Amino acid sequence: EDQVTQSPEALRLQEGESSSLNCSYTVSGLRGLFWYRQDPGKGPEFLFTLYSAGEEKEKERLKATLTKKESFLHITAPKPEDSATYLCAVRGGATNKLIFGTGTLLAVQP
Amino acid sequence: DTGVSQDPRHKITKRGQNVTFRCDPISEHNRLYWYRQTLGQGPEFLTYFQNEAQLEKSRLLSDRFSAERPKGSFSTLEIQRTEQGDSAMYLCASSLDQSHEQYFGPGTRLTVT
Repeated sequence: EDQVTQSPEALRLQEGESSSLNCSYTVSGLRGLFWYRQDPGKGPEFLFTLYSAGEEKEKERLKATLTKKESFLHITAPKPEDSATYLCAVRGGATNKLIFGTGTLLAVQP
Repeated sequence: DTGVSQDPRHKITKRGQNVTFRCDPISEHNRLYWYRQTLGQGPEFLTYFQNEAQLEKSRLLSDRFSAERPKGSFSTLEIQRTEQGDSAMYLCASSLDQSHEQYFGPGTRLTVT
């Protein structure tokens, strides 16, 4: 069964303190790994799609990487406005649905 | 820039009542998805449309749930005889095609009392 596990569940950083979020997955025939950001009471906001091991994508202070078993979301010199829940999802096999993890709640303190 | 829109944003209903939610996808997107999210969890897939055809349904979608996309544009999700366990955020997403990312709307927060 396709599964996504994210760690840690929650992370508290000081402004400027870089760190990484982990997303481990098992899926039959990966057809995309997706990172989303979700603010309280809002829908998920698309960040990145990764398709194959070794692929990397960057956007401002965020960088996503992918291996055959996991993905990392690296946050460099975070700011308080980066505080949110970061969700990882996979799409695999013949389905079009996304399988989500439970997310990492990131809090960046000034 | 018109993203995915959902209406209403909040709905409070009494147990046993029927509710209907609407989703308007991004205009050129022909794929539309419904998900449900409870507190502290990631979104869970409910159903998927390609144009007006409903192609996938989760086992989470009990007989009390029905979704339509009659003209391949907006979609509705109806829950009949609501139960307290139906309280959740109902999210709609759309994508250009099956290989592209899904863009989510703001969600409809349902509270069943």
